[in-house]
Amino acid sequence: QKEVEQDPGPLSVPEGAIVSLNCTYSNSAFQYFMWYRQYSRKGPELLMYTYSSGNKEDGRFTAQVDKSSKYISLFIRDSQPSDSATYLCAMSPNTGANSKLTFGKGITLSVRP
Amino acid sequence: EAGVAQSPRYKIIEKRQSVAFWCNPISGHATLYWYQQILGQGPKLLIQFQNNGVVDDSQLPKDRFSAERLKGVDSTLKIQPAKLEDSAVYLCASSRHLSSGNTIYFGEGSWLTVV
Repeated sequence: QKEVEQDPGPLSVPEGAIVSLNCTYSNSAFQYFMWYRQYSRKGPELLMYTYSSGNKEDGRFTAQVDKSSKYISLFIRDSQPSDSATYLCAMSPNTGANSKLTFGKGITLSVRP
Repeated sequence: EAGVAQSPRYKIIEKRQSVAFWCNPISGHATLYWYQQILGQGPKLLIQFQNNGVVDDSQLPKDRFSAERLKGVDSTLKIQPAKLEDSAVYLCASSRHLSSGNTIYFGEGSWLTVV
């Protein structure tokens, strides 16, 4: 079993839809959870960052962490064509020098105008 | 603020040849990372530097990969000899200091094709 599993894609939705992206993990030591967005031919950019369980909202984006179920989600409200990208979940056990990020495979999202 | 700079952006080489990638991190960032991203997969950490010292190179295939960060700024990642399975994007990233290890800024990557 991989440490981090991400829902396979690709995912295609109409503009304005609510999008739900999910990851599960097996390592209970993970404390920090991130979502990165990666546009085609670009490097990943940090979208959301959460510590431990709970929700965090930033504009149209909401990150949710359920440590008891080892499950994290990213919700995108009112999706826009500019949201079309690959979304990667990532997690680590700590924020220090040895905070090696473990990434999911990524899911490619396409938002149709 | 300038981002993480990488070169070359694209490289095609034959197997058994060598290749080198260069990275210039964001000014003032002490921590530098090299990640390998194979098509359809998430990035995998190859090596992490803190200033010019290696913090983690546990997933670096040391028989063919080497990396250095002289003077604690720029870094070079070398592959010699290359294998077909080394075809990937090599992402350099940096972060400001130890306590912000999770706020990592990535470059646009160096795309390697081994034929």
